[in-house]
Amino acid sequence: SAVISQKPSRDICQRGTSLTIQCQVDSQVTMMFWYRQQPGQSLTLIATANQGSEATYESGFVIDKFPISRPNLTFSTLTVSNMSPEDSSIYLCSVEKDRGVEAFFGQGTRLTVV
Amino acid sequence: GENVEQHPSTLSVQEGDSAVIKCTYSDSASNYFPWYKQELGKGPQLIIDIRSNVGEKKDQRIAVTLNKTAKHFSLHITETQPEDSAVYFCAASKFGGATNKLIFGTGTLLAVQP
Repeated sequence: SAVISQKPSRDICQRGTSLTIQCQVDSQVTMMFWYRQQPGQSLTLIATANQGSEATYESGFVIDKFPISRPNLTFSTLTVSNMSPEDSSIYLCSVEKDRGVEAFFGQGTRLTVV
Repeated sequence: GENVEQHPSTLSVQEGDSAVIKCTYSDSASNYFPWYKQELGKGPQLIIDIRSNVGEKKDQRIAVTLNKTAKHFSLHITETQPEDSAVYFCAASKFGGATNKLIFGTGTLLAVQP
């Protein structure tokens, strides 16, 4: 398995501000994924982040709203920009330990926008 | 694209009984089907998975079955215990592709009554 640490674990933010979420993995991984889980809902993929290339965003998510960095093989950040209450969700980082095999998740960042 | 449906949305069983959660998928090219358990305030934890070249897989009290023809797969938990109470998600992906996106079901809240 992989040990994935996310920071912060939770935050309460004012609307109009931005929050950057960090994801640190204990080993090098090729692919990192960012998911959103709205209250009581399932997980929706935001984007896939490979080291050395721009993130690939899913339909309904754009780079201006959710910029992602992937500076090396163990770290990634997701920024939630210009936040509104509708952005209140759990944001989860995920990695594939080996190409095409099991995916592991961090504990998530619970974001509340007021 | 792939669509995964999951039933039931809630399931309550008595301790010691069995629990079954069912999922159907739409894309016949999907070939990897993991199950995740999410406890309150935590990220999803991989509990078992199955690949399309296998019809059944078992790990102690947990088993998963796959019917490729009907495009459905199920999670079976025997001798349930209160600590099995959580939200369970099924997912589907195409193992070995350029990017192995997980498409999640809507989740099942399992409550094991002591």
